[in-house]
Amino acid sequence: DIRMTQSPSTLSASVGDRVTITCRASQSISSWLAWYQQKPGKAPKLLIYKASILESGVPSRFSGSGSGTEFTLTISSLQPDDFATYYCQQYSGYSTFGQGTKVEIK
Amino acid sequence: QLRLQESGPGLVKPSETLSLTCTVSGGSITSSSYYWGWIRQPPEKGLEWIGSIYYSGTTHYTPSLESRVTISVDTSKNQFSLRLSSVTAADTAVYYCARFLMSYGSGSYSPAQVDYWGQGTLVTVSS
Repeated sequence: DIRMTQSPSTLSASVGDRVTITCRASQSISSWLAWYQQKPGKAPKLLIYKASILESGVPSRFSGSGSGTEFTLTISSLQPDDFATYYCQQYSGYSTFGQGTKVEIK
Repeated sequence: QLRLQESGPGLVKPSETLSLTCTVSGGSITSSSYYWGWIRQPPEKGLEWIGSIYYSGTTHYTPSLESRVTISVDTSKNQFSLRLSSVTAADTAVYYCARFLMSYGSGSYSPAQVDYWGQGTLVTVSS
């Protein structure tokens, strides 16, 4: 299996902050990576796919970058609605998820 | 608007088989552009990809569950189903059904990112 490791596990930030979450793959996955946002009691929501393509309707403050084994999700200016848990997913072969990064209010 | 709805027992006894069905409305399960499948999330934990199916019957399963999992499709009812045998407490989770877009690489198509999710259903394994 391809292991996905996210860092940090928890991130404390304030409204307006620039936030970066990292996802590392145990082997190269090219650009076959997606990012999701999940709020308590809800299904995840797709934010970005193929490492850097913004899903339709997702605010432009979200961006993704990377290829191979290292990827980042950046929120350029954190908004109140962005406090949530974020997951990366690789889909190069069998799909696996990272363990999640909780973005909490500082 | 596409909608996915899980249904099935919320409580399953250890060693028995977990069975869930996902009913798709607002779109056809026979669309050539998508896979359909299941993802689960144990309480207070992360997401685990279980497997997927194409309407023609082609399946992909995660290796750690492959010996216990069967995903099937019923195109006449616009439904697909999950069966997980020999369950234990470790299989207690919220189970989501999902629609996967497709990626193309190394000469074949495979399931990719999820663009539609069901609301999720909690299945508890307990005697």
